[in-house]
Amino acid sequence: AQTVTQSQPEMSVQEAETVTLSCTYDTSENNYYLFWYKQPPSRQMILVIRQEAYKQQNATENRFSVNFQKAAKSFSLKISDSQLGDTAMYFCAFMTREVQANDMRFGAGTRLTVKP
Amino acid sequence: DVKVTQSSRYLVKRTGEKVFLECVQDMDHENMFWYRQDPGLGLRLIYFSYDVKMKEKGDIPEGYSVSREKKERFSLILESASTNQTSMYLCASRNGGQGKNIQYFGAGTRLSVL
Repeated sequence: AQTVTQSQPEMSVQEAETVTLSCTYDTSENNYYLFWYKQPPSRQMILVIRQEAYKQQNATENRFSVNFQKAAKSFSLKISDSQLGDTAMYFCAFMTREVQANDMRFGAGTRLTVKP
Repeated sequence: DVKVTQSSRYLVKRTGEKVFLECVQDMDHENMFWYRQDPGLGLRLIYFSYDVKMKEKGDIPEGYSVSREKKERFSLILESASTNQTSMYLCASRNGGQGKNIQYFGAGTRLSVL
């Protein structure tokens, strides 16, 4: 069974600085997807960024980028130029590419606070 | 924009009550999911459905059941609510069975069982 581990329950960063959230996972699969989801306080969870395991290039979405290390099974999220609106719970998630698979595995989450 | 709508943001119920949590999506997605979110545990899958009238157990189905009579609607049922079911419940939907398609979430229902 796949597991996802986020070892940082809480983090904080000053506005405009850079922060990195860690995520490791365990799987015997070779083809899969990795995700970072953001859940702002009292608001809907939304997808931040997605990485396909067969792609070597790290995914980037504006100020958000990932460091995907397949051999190490590591998938960290870097937030550059942090903004107050980045304050949220961040969840790392894994999903196999197998057609019959339907479920996504989530880590426990990291609560990020951006301080003014 | 995709909308996944959960009927209630907050619910307070008594132990032993039957509780219905409703979820509706407007994008004709095949797959729908119910998760439970607890601090330090992340999201745990309760049930999911890949088609109308179809359902599959997730990791923690005990004490819950689901209903999917129409493609757009997926209901979570607590037959006899207990205090250990106090939690945040998230509904989600996605098209297809692979991660190439984005999974969308509702705003959540915070359930308190007294």
